[in-house]
Amino acid sequence: GAVVSQHPSWVICKSGTSVKIECRSLDFQATTMFWYRQFPKQSLMLMATSNEGSKATYEQGVEKDKFLINHASLTLSTLTVTSAHPEDSSFYICSARHGYSYEQYFGPGTRLTVT
Amino acid sequence: ELKVEQNPLFLSMQEGKNYTIYCNYSTTSDRLYWYRQDPGKSLESLFVLLSNGAVKQEGRLMASLDTKARLSTLHITAAVHDLSATYFCAVNTGNQFYFGTGTSLTVIP
Repeated sequence: GAVVSQHPSWVICKSGTSVKIECRSLDFQATTMFWYRQFPKQSLMLMATSNEGSKATYEQGVEKDKFLINHASLTLSTLTVTSAHPEDSSFYICSARHGYSYEQYFGPGTRLTVT
Repeated sequence: ELKVEQNPLFLSMQEGKNYTIYCNYSTTSDRLYWYRQDPGKSLESLFVLLSNGAVKQEGRLMASLDTKARLSTLHITAAVHDLSATYFCAVNTGNQFYFGTGTSLTVIP
């Protein structure tokens, strides 16, 4: 149980375009979802936390107008990178948590390359 | 701002040897997690430590937590090549998770 999927697993887009990444909890209701970014050989950096039906809470330094997060249902959250630039190229990982559970379940990640 | 530091950052060890990875954090925390990440992959959960003095073991890995010292350790016993990966600790406060810097482990035959 507790499976989280991400789509797409990898994406290449041109500079200036937007790309949407989906994160789904397949067998549980995710009241909270987290979005992380990981640059090569670095740690995970929390970008934002979203609760179903509420606006996302962004970490300091993360542009909320550039990284649009929508948590429209208990099983789906989306991250849209708007007007992508090469420096946005990274590995984006989502995770999901149910209620006040202490565990968070990670998706397989999406590798974004902006050319 | 909560800081989570791991050491060493890089670890090269021979098969059969023992070693410990350390995770220090800067403020009180609800829980401490250990994860494994293989190259190009997402994170795999290894341990969740919920209270002071907690110790958990799985195979050749054992994790412990000292909340008073704000320190967690991941001990590797008789390392094998399959343990080569990057290991992260993470601290949970409220609804936020903060990851350590990571330890890249290479086990040499």
